[in-house]
Amino acid sequence: AQTVTQSQPEMSVQEAETVTLSCTYDTSENNYYLFWYKQPPSRQMILVIRQEAYKQQNATENRFSVNFQKAAKSFSLKISDSQLGDTAMYFCAFMKPRGGNKLVFGAGTILRVKS
Amino acid sequence: DVKVTQSSRYLVKRTGEKVFLECVQDMDHENMFWYRQDPGLGLRLIYFSYDVKMKEKGDIPEGYSVSREKKERFSLILESASTNQTSMYLCASSSQGASGANVLTFGAGSRLTVL
Repeated sequence: AQTVTQSQPEMSVQEAETVTLSCTYDTSENNYYLFWYKQPPSRQMILVIRQEAYKQQNATENRFSVNFQKAAKSFSLKISDSQLGDTAMYFCAFMKPRGGNKLVFGAGTILRVKS
Repeated sequence: DVKVTQSSRYLVKRTGEKVFLECVQDMDHENMFWYRQDPGLGLRLIYFSYDVKMKEKGDIPEGYSVSREKKERFSLILESASTNQTSMYLCASSSQGASGANVLTFGAGSRLTVL
């Protein structure tokens, strides 16, 4: 079975600075998908970024980028120029292909952006 | 705008009551999911449905059942609510496209308190 570990329960960052959230996972699959979801205080889960394991290039979405290290089974999220609206719980998640789109989630990291 | 709607944001029930949590999606998605979210545990899959009247157990199905009589609606049922089922419940849906990495769209969550 796949597992996802987020070792940082809480983090804080000053507005406009950069922060990196860590995620490691365990799987015997060779091809799979990794996601970062954001859950603000409104509780609505929002997709931040997605990475396909067979693609070596790290995914980026505006201020959000990932550092995907397949051999190390590591998938960290970097947020540049942090904004107050980035304050949220961030979840790392794993999906295997042909698995019915089921996501396996980490425990989450609470990120607080301070002004 | 695509939507997953959960009928109740907050519910308070008594131990032993039968509880229904309703979820409706308007995206014609084949897959629907129920997750439970607890602090320090992230989201855990309770049940999954890939078609009308089809269901599959997730990681923590004990004490729960589901119903999917129509494609757009997926209900989570607690036959006899217990205090350890106090939690946040999140519904999600996704398509069964060929890409294999279909993004889940989530509802806003239902916070259930069992007294």
